[in-house]
Amino acid sequence: EPEVTQTPSHQVTQMGQEVILRCVPISNHLYFYWYRQILGQKVEFLVSFYNNEISEKSEIFDDQFSVERPDGSNFTLKIRSTKLEDSAMYFCASRARQNTEAFFGQGTRLTVV
Amino acid sequence: AQKITQTQPGMFVQEKEAVTLDCTYDTSDQSYGLFWYKQPSSGEMIFLIYQGSYDEQNATEGRYSLNFQKARKSANLVISASQLGDSAMYFCAFNTGGFKTIFGAGTRLFVKA
Repeated sequence: EPEVTQTPSHQVTQMGQEVILRCVPISNHLYFYWYRQILGQKVEFLVSFYNNEISEKSEIFDDQFSVERPDGSNFTLKIRSTKLEDSAMYFCASRARQNTEAFFGQGTRLTVV
Repeated sequence: AQKITQTQPGMFVQEKEAVTLDCTYDTSDQSYGLFWYKQPSSGEMIFLIYQGSYDEQNATEGRYSLNFQKARKSANLVISASQLGDSAMYFCAFNTGGFKTIFGAGTRLFVKA
């Protein structure tokens, strides 16, 4: 069964460092997303990506964040200068069409120390 | 403004009994999708069930059914014959055909043996 895969599963980084979180969405999907979940809290939308550009982003997704789809398969989230409060689980998701279910990856747990 | 609300932070149910998890939403859009996801302690997000706003029948997937009351803007999840493995966090989510899916705060379900 096709699935969304994320790497790494856990990343520890020092405050101020750049991190890149990687995702391989399901191959025939057209809509791609990043969400984050601070431990024990709700799932927060960060950004959506469609047709090779950002289609929508939240207020959380400031200039420190960027997304790329560098080739036909990978979808990355970059945090330029990490802060302690960026520590969270980051989920990548993809969907085939609007108003269908989004399939989530296993998540990357980012710990900023 | 679009909003999704889960008013039950925690619920207990006896094994083999049915349980209803509440979800209400607010939108002026006519076309939208409602979703439920399960998040076990391992952290992954597992899609459970989807209901489209134009679907006349309530969605069902095995032991999961969605009690969709459009006029009341509610989309409650019913789990029949609860099992110990159903203990998890459950999120109601909502997409209006725009790009992002909004998640509720979640309900933590505890199934007692």
